[in-house]
Amino acid sequence: KAGVTQTPRYLIKTRGQQVTLSCSPISGHRSVSWYQQTPGQGLQFLFEYFSETQRNKGNFPGRFSGRQFSNSRSEMNVSTLELGDSALYLCASSLASAAFYEQYFGPGTRLTVT
Amino acid sequence: SQQGEEDPQALSIQEGENATMNCSYKTSINNLQWYRQNSGRGLVHLILIRSNEREKHSGRLRVTLDTSKKSSSLLITASRAADTASYFCATEVVQGAQKLVFGQGTRLTINP
Repeated sequence: KAGVTQTPRYLIKTRGQQVTLSCSPISGHRSVSWYQQTPGQGLQFLFEYFSETQRNKGNFPGRFSGRQFSNSRSEMNVSTLELGDSALYLCASSLASAAFYEQYFGPGTRLTVT
Repeated sequence: SQQGEEDPQALSIQEGENATMNCSYKTSINNLQWYRQNSGRGLVHLILIRSNEREKHSGRLRVTLDTSKKSSSLLITASRAADTASYFCATEVVQGAQKLVFGQGTRLTINP
């Protein structure tokens, strides 16, 4: 079974721009969660999608948004980028609720904002 | 503040020794998960232990859960250089719907 894939792997953007990251979950997994990881704040939950619906959202500003398609693939978008958005963005998929099932993580997208 | 907090923040041991990491959490949980992350990469799931379980094994890994103390420990026996990584515990938090919250992690270094 193919693992979770994330594209692109690396990205450099300028302040004020927007970015879209993509995540393809493991086949059959319906839950996709997104996390931001930085040295200072650690792993922080962004949001979880299940069957195209956002099930839960972390404490991030509205500039961070996401969606899930009918094939469970998910995208997250960050608008009006700030320097502090530089981070490793991780996507994880699970069979159902991320809180009750093991999650399979992708390799991440490293975003650098200059 | 984090739901789960690992202790110690960093641990350095010799190859072949055992490594123990601890995780404490604040609220009641249904399960607790442990993950490993090699430098700058995605996380790998190690073990999920449910609140009605006290101990779980997987190869050289042993996880214990003490719900009365709201704590869990991860023991890696006969450590290898390849075990060098960061280890995170994750617990669910109910805020509207359940979500998984990760601790800050323990950075484990195995010296040859």
